[in-house]
Amino acid sequence: GAVVSQHPSRVICKSGTSVKIECRSLDFQATTMFWYRQFPKQSLMLMATSNEGSKATYEQGVEKDKFLINHASLTLSTLTVTSAHPEDSSFYICSARIRLASNYEQYFGPGTRLTVT
Amino acid sequence: DAKTTQPNSMESNEEEPVHLPCNHSTISGTDYIHWYRQLPSQGPEYVIHGLTSNVNNRMASLAIAEDRKSSTLILHRATLRDAAVYYCILRGANFGNEKLTFGTGTRLTIIP
Repeated sequence: GAVVSQHPSRVICKSGTSVKIECRSLDFQATTMFWYRQFPKQSLMLMATSNEGSKATYEQGVEKDKFLINHASLTLSTLTVTSAHPEDSSFYICSARIRLASNYEQYFGPGTRLTVT
Repeated sequence: DAKTTQPNSMESNEEEPVHLPCNHSTISGTDYIHWYRQLPSQGPEYVIHGLTSNVNNRMASLAIAEDRKSSTLILHRATLRDAAVYYCILRGANFGNEKLTFGTGTRLTIIP
């Protein structure tokens, strides 16, 4: 299947600083990428949908000024957590969508564990 | 989004078949049934998907009820590496409703 990578896999930052997470589709072009967040023992929660060359669409309750998403190319999307606080500590997972002949498939990255101290 | 209902947890013995059920009584005619699984501290992994007919691939089989209101993911011979949370998700085929919305899934434990 298609491969999606994330960098870094783990990051620890201090409260008040910003952190950037990269998501890359390695062997295909992804016009649409998705960002999810997962707290311990919980399911994945969709944060935003990112289309190449346009502004991201955020889910209800997700602060767009806090979670900045950039999808500048067909293989790269970035999520920047600005002014991070301990409650932003979570597992962040990106996903890239590929269009097939009659359907779409979605592949997930390995996740980035963010710890804010 | 149409919802799915899955048991919170299931156990199975190693090398035995596993049948993971999913109810989706409000499924629409164009919704695809997708299954993903998530191993600990990893991103979800695609398992299988289908629309109306049963599907087989190297990982699993998907049995879809004739009325499409339920489906069953079948792992033919469970191994310890199959221990994961399995998510049954409905996804629309029309632009704008293609988001994958995850429910709570079924946590599968494999007993050696």
